[in-house]
Amino acid sequence: GQQVMQIPQYQHVQEGEDFTTYCNSSTTLSNIQWYKQRPGGHPVFLIQLVKSGEVKKQKRLTFQFGEAKKNSSLHITATQTTDVGTYFCAGPENTGNQFYFGTGTSLTVIP
Amino acid sequence: DAGITQSPRHKVTETGTPVTLRCHQTENHRYMYWYRQDPGHGLRLIHYSYGVKDTDKGEVSDGYSVSRSKTEDFLLTLESATSSQTSVYFCASNDRDSAGEQYFGPGTRLTVT
Repeated sequence: GQQVMQIPQYQHVQEGEDFTTYCNSSTTLSNIQWYKQRPGGHPVFLIQLVKSGEVKKQKRLTFQFGEAKKNSSLHITATQTTDVGTYFCAGPENTGNQFYFGTGTSLTVIP
Repeated sequence: DAGITQSPRHKVTETGTPVTLRCHQTENHRYMYWYRQDPGHGLRLIHYSYGVKDTDKGEVSDGYSVSRSKTEDFLLTLESATSSQTSVYFCASNDRDSAGEQYFGPGTRLTVT
C-alpha cells in the first residue's frame, strides 16, 4: 500500500537554530497537508498545498510541495520553545478517498 | 477548535471484550474519520464516513467496525478487543473530504490487557 515517510523521526535543536522535516510519499498526492501535534494533544492543521512546486510561508514556517507531488518539506527558521511538538505531513491518494499521514517528526527545542 | 468530542477519554479493557468509542461533532461536517496513533506509525486511517450510513474502510480496518446513524455521531467498535489494539484513537471531521482541513477530537487512550 501507499507509504508516507518522514525524516528525521526525531530532531533536537538549540533554540534559535533552524529545523527541517522532509516528507516522501510512495505515490503521487493530490494535495499535501501539514499538522502539528503538541505533546499530549491532538493534531492541528497548519496548511495545505495543492500545486506542483508550490511554496507557502507562515511567519517562520516555510512549506514546499515537490514538482512531482510526491514529496514535501517544512522548514522552521529560528526555532522557539513554542515550536515543540510532532509535525505530520498528510495527503489523500490521487484516486479514491484514502488519506495517509506521514510517520511524523518529533521536534525538541532546547532553551 | 471545531466542536468535536470523544468518549470515553480513557479506557482499560480486557482481551476479548467488545468496546465502543464515540465521536460527536457539532459542526454539521459531512465527513468523519477514525484514526489510530502508534509510535513510529503516525496516524493510520481505520474507517471513514462520507455521510449518514455511508462508510468505507481505511488502511487498518481489520478488527474494527463503524456506524453513523446521525450526521453528528460516528461510532467505532472493536468487536473483540486484542492487545494489538492498544492505542490512542482520534476522531476527525471536515466538510470537504480529502481536500480539506481535518479537525481532530482530543483522542481516546485505549489499553487492552
